[in-house]
Amino acid sequence: DQQVKQNSPSLSVQEGRISILNCDYTNSMFDYFLWYKKYPAEGPTFLISISSIKDKNEDGRFTVFLNKSAKHLSLHIVPSQPGDSAVYFCAASANSNSGYALNFGKGTSLLVTP
Amino acid sequence: DVKVTQSSRYLVKRTGEKVFLECVQDMDHENMFWYRQDPGLGLRLIYFSYDVKMKEKGDIPEGYSVSREKKERFSLILESASTNQTSMYLCASSPAGAGLHEQYFGPGTRLTVT
Repeated sequence: DQQVKQNSPSLSVQEGRISILNCDYTNSMFDYFLWYKKYPAEGPTFLISISSIKDKNEDGRFTVFLNKSAKHLSLHIVPSQPGDSAVYFCAASANSNSGYALNFGKGTSLLVTP
Repeated sequence: DVKVTQSSRYLVKRTGEKVFLECVQDMDHENMFWYRQDPGLGLRLIYFSYDVKMKEKGDIPEGYSVSREKKERFSLILESASTNQTSMYLCASSPAGAGLHEQYFGPGTRLTVT
């Protein structure tokens, strides 16, 4: 059963606007969350992460918000740029499995239009 | 920079052939992973290894086997390729240790089984 869910398969945003990508999880043991970005014909690259002891982590144009009570996290990209067009995967891990497998969502394809 | 390399970017094989996909990482990581990525299904874990000669089944191990004879190398084997194994195969590695969750991915191998 899918423990990490990205319910929006695609998202289209105008350049300069905010992109918000959402992710929900069901396993309350998850305590570390990551976002990966993937271009076609390339492997995913790590973007940003957040530990469950925080509710926000920011890195340049990228901010991840975590709402533990709702088991929900979101990735905000501000301002969005055409080069941000890619598939974004949300992933989660339990600290007890540190260094082991990540649980990935199915991905959201982001298109940023000029 | 962490570098994960995969032996082929594109591969075409016939049904019933034995297929070897090789992955090498140069950062002395303990953990290595094989995923497959399919449209609408995200990344699904096939096998992983947390030490030389150790292996663990992931979510979809059927039809696959793995080999890890050296720390830097993790091989995925399709004993008898079938058309439903046509996919993008992604190798990843990560260091062991508490709080270390990020995985580093190779560029992927696009396998087509005809």
